[in-house]
Amino acid sequence: TQLLEQSPQFLSIQEGENLTVYCNSSSVFSSLQWYRQEPGEGPVLLVTVVTGGEVKKLKRLTFQFGDARKDSSLHITAAQPGDTGLYLCAGFGSARQLTFGSGTQLTVLP
Amino acid sequence: NAGVMQNPRHLVRRRGQEARLRCSPMKGHSHVYWYRQLPEEGLKFMVYLQKENIIDESGMPKERFSAEFPKEGPSILRIQQVVRGDSAAYFCASSPWQGEGEQYFGPGTRLTVT
Repeated sequence: TQLLEQSPQFLSIQEGENLTVYCNSSSVFSSLQWYRQEPGEGPVLLVTVVTGGEVKKLKRLTFQFGDARKDSSLHITAAQPGDTGLYLCAGFGSARQLTFGSGTQLTVLP
Repeated sequence: NAGVMQNPRHLVRRRGQEARLRCSPMKGHSHVYWYRQLPEEGLKFMVYLQKENIIDESGMPKERFSAEFPKEGPSILRIQQVVRGDSAAYFCASSPWQGEGEQYFGPGTRLTVT
């Protein structure tokens, strides 16, 4: 079974601060996705990374895929209250199933 | 273009009853996935279906759970004789292609078993 571990599980910061969320596995994933989920809603895809070492930027969000395609990180610059939500990483592995991490609950305080 | 629709949004069942969760994929999408999310956990894959076919049900509990995606109508996730441990949010996702593309998620059905 391929597992994705996210850290931290909970993160509460002040508006304007920077933060990084990590997603780690002992398994190789052919691609990895990051989702954001708000209360009472389904996850919404933010980005897909495919190539080892790939870096993608989406406004204040920077996503990186590890060289060995076993880990990924999400960095948010100058966080805003609107960034509050549950951030989930998910990867396609050998079973061609989407495996989700346990999530990082981010709260950005004004 | 309407998104993935799920109904009901909230469902309360007593132990031993049956729960039927419905999912209408986005227009033009023929691939449907069901996931379960327990409180403060990520989503767990349950089953992957195409029209009239179950492609991968490796995440489905062996008993009481079944899924279908008929030629016409929504996909149905059926849970027979529900137990308290079945209480969770059940999400459906759809995609227009097979493989590692984007899956579009519905808003989920929150099942509470009393």
